[in-house]
Amino acid sequence: GDSVTQMEGPVTLSEEAFLTINCTYTATGYPSLFWYVQYPGEGLQLLLKATKADDKGSNKGFEATYRKETTSFHLEKGSVQVSDSAVYFCALSAWTGANSKLTFGKGITLSVRP
Amino acid sequence: SQTIHQWPATLVQPVGSPLSLECTVEGTSNPNLYWYRQAAGRGLQLLFYSVGIGQISSEVPQNLSASRPQDRQFILSSKKLLLSDSGFYLCAWRLGGELFFGEGSRLTVL
Repeated sequence: GDSVTQMEGPVTLSEEAFLTINCTYTATGYPSLFWYVQYPGEGLQLLLKATKADDKGSNKGFEATYRKETTSFHLEKGSVQVSDSAVYFCALSAWTGANSKLTFGKGITLSVRP
Repeated sequence: SQTIHQWPATLVQPVGSPLSLECTVEGTSNPNLYWYRQAAGRGLQLLFYSVGIGQISSEVPQNLSASRPQDRQFILSSKKLLLSDSGFYLCAWRLGGELFFGEGSRLTVL
């Protein structure tokens, strides 16, 4: 079945540091890929997405490129801020018959210190 | 615009008591609806999804059940809670391949 694997956390960085969060996936066909973010005490919200190979999703300074050859969708940001502290989830969406479901990774907690 | 609401936001219940978490969606019709659970250290687990009134698919065997009595209402229930039911429960609806989540309901079973 479909699966998403994220790097182990938590991750602690200083403000303005470079961020990379690894994500790899296993899926049949051609899934769409997503990064969701969960700020403390809140639900999840979409950060960025990519729907086909070589697409780059970007938002709020974050980027991720859909790499079919390495089945990866790594999240990057050049300079993190304290306000980026949150839990980040990688996810994929693949059609299953008449329905589509998102499969999530375990999430990784990012803490950015001033 | 579409919105999704969950309640209650926080719930503390004793073992063996019943549970009812409610989720409603506004601004759309016939949405696909989902219940996820987020347990500490275990990421997000899909519990149930529904493609229409009265249609429920269960993803994992467990102590919980779901119902969809109206088009935009999705309810998560239990007759007798277990300690292992503690977690953060998220309702979501789907547009295309993307999910939109509610604010979540934190359940603590003591």
